[in-house]
Amino acid sequence: AQSVTQPDIHITVSEGASLELRCNYSYGATPYLFWYVQSPGQGLQLLLKYFSGDTLVQGIKGFEAEFKRSQSSFNLRKPSVHWSDAAEYFCAVGDELTFGTGTRLTIIP
Amino acid sequence: SAVISQKPSRDICQRGTSLTIQCQVDSQVTMMFWYRQQPGQSLTLIATANQGSEATYESGFVIDKFPISRPNLTFSTLTVSNMSPEDSSIYLCSAPIENTDTQYFGPGTRLTVL
Repeated sequence: AQSVTQPDIHITVSEGASLELRCNYSYGATPYLFWYVQSPGQGLQLLLKYFSGDTLVQGIKGFEAEFKRSQSSFNLRKPSVHWSDAAEYFCAVGDELTFGTGTRLTIIP
Repeated sequence: SAVISQKPSRDICQRGTSLTIQCQVDSQVTMMFWYRQQPGQSLTLIATANQGSEATYESGFVIDKFPISRPNLTFSTLTVSNMSPEDSSIYLCSAPIENTDTQYFGPGTRLTVL
C-alpha cells in the first residue's frame, strides 16, 4: 500500500530564510508525487507535481522539489520565504491521492 | 486551472440532523472524490463518485452515513447523515481535470456539529 510520511509537524522559519519540508513515500512503482498548500480557511492549492523526467521540479510561488528515488523522498524547498507562505503543506502520492499528515509552516519577522 | 466550488462554505448543525454538501466543477470530469479533514489532521478519502454508477467507499465509510449523488459530469453531492460532534470536519471535493493529470480541490465545507 502507498503511504506518505511528513516527519515535521511544525516548522518555524524567519522571513527571508531558506526552507526545506521533508516528505518520504512508500509506493510500488514510479510514483506520482505532489505538494499542496492549504492557507488558513482555504482549500488546497497545487504547488507542483512530479510524474517523470527531470527530478527537480519547479512549482508556483518560487517553490521547487526534488525527487530522489534512492531515498524515497520528495522534499519541498524555497530559497527565501515570505510571510505569505505561512500555511499547511501536504505531500501526496499516487493517482488516487494518499496524503501525508502535513507540516504547518510559521514565518517569524 | 479548473474551478471547483462547494456550497455551503460552512455550517453549524444540530446532532441527529443531516447536511448535504454540493460540489460543482466548471468542466466535465469522469471522477470526483470526497475527502474529510478532521481538525488538525490530514485528508482522508471518503469515496470516489463516478457518473452513472454507485460511489466506491473507502474502509471505515459507509453509504448509509455518507450517501453520494453524481447526477452528471460536473456535479456531485455528499450528505452527512445523522450527524454527531465527531463529524465536525472540513469536507472537500476534488476532481482530476482531463488532460492535466492533476487533481484540483474545492475550497471545502467547514462543518461544526453541536
